Amino acid sequence: GQQVMQIPQYQHVQEGEDFTTYCNSSTTLSNIQWYKQRPGGHPVFLIQLVKSGEVKKQKRLTFQFGEAKKNSSLHITATQTTDVGTYFCAGLNNFNKFYFGSGTKLNVKP
Amino acid sequence: GAGVSQTPSNKVTEKGKYVELRCDPISGHTALYWYRQSLGQGPEFLIYFQGTGAADDSGLPNDRFFAVRPEGSVSTLKIQRTERGDSAVYLCASSLSGTASGDTQYFGPGTRLTVL
Repeated sequence: GQQVMQIPQYQHVQEGEDFTTYCNSSTTLSNIQWYKQRPGGHPVFLIQLVKSGEVKKQKRLTFQFGEAKKNSSLHITATQTTDVGTYFCAGLNNFNKFYFGSGTKLNVKP
Repeated sequence: GAGVSQTPSNKVTEKGKYVELRCDPISGHTALYWYRQSLGQGPEFLIYFQGTGAADDSGLPNDRFFAVRPEGSVSTLKIQRTERGDSAVYLCASSLSGTASGDTQYFGPGTRLTVL
């Protein structure tokens, strides 16, 4: 069945280091969305990628969608303590259903 | 409203009891989703409404789970004969027009359900 895998499960970095989380789908996706969930909070939408090979940037965050539309990545440059949280990808398949990855929990040490 | 609201924020019940969880979406949003999130996991899709109708209920785990949205706004998730395995945070999200266009989903704060 449809699966969206996300790695790593956890990442601990020193403030100022970079961070990347990867999302892989077993099938081609129509689009992919990224969300951030702070501890004790709910998922908050970050961005949506639709086109094959698309790259979008939001300040220190860079999002990529693979050429085959089956994988995606989120890269944070020079992490800050405010980046702490769990980052989820959510893939929309061709049957209009969203599948969330299991998330990457980011901890940033000051 | 300003955002998606969910009530109650916490619900503790005993095994075998019936519970109702309420979601009030953003005004004007036609699409509404229910997810279940267990500790350390991503949200798991349960059901998606487009207007008053359930467009996709394939995520409901079994027939103890049921959801309604009679007027195309507020939705209620109903769980019969609760089991300890139902314990999780139940998240509701709404979007302007639905998944076909990949709209942004706005999540509510969730209801933490604990079944003793």
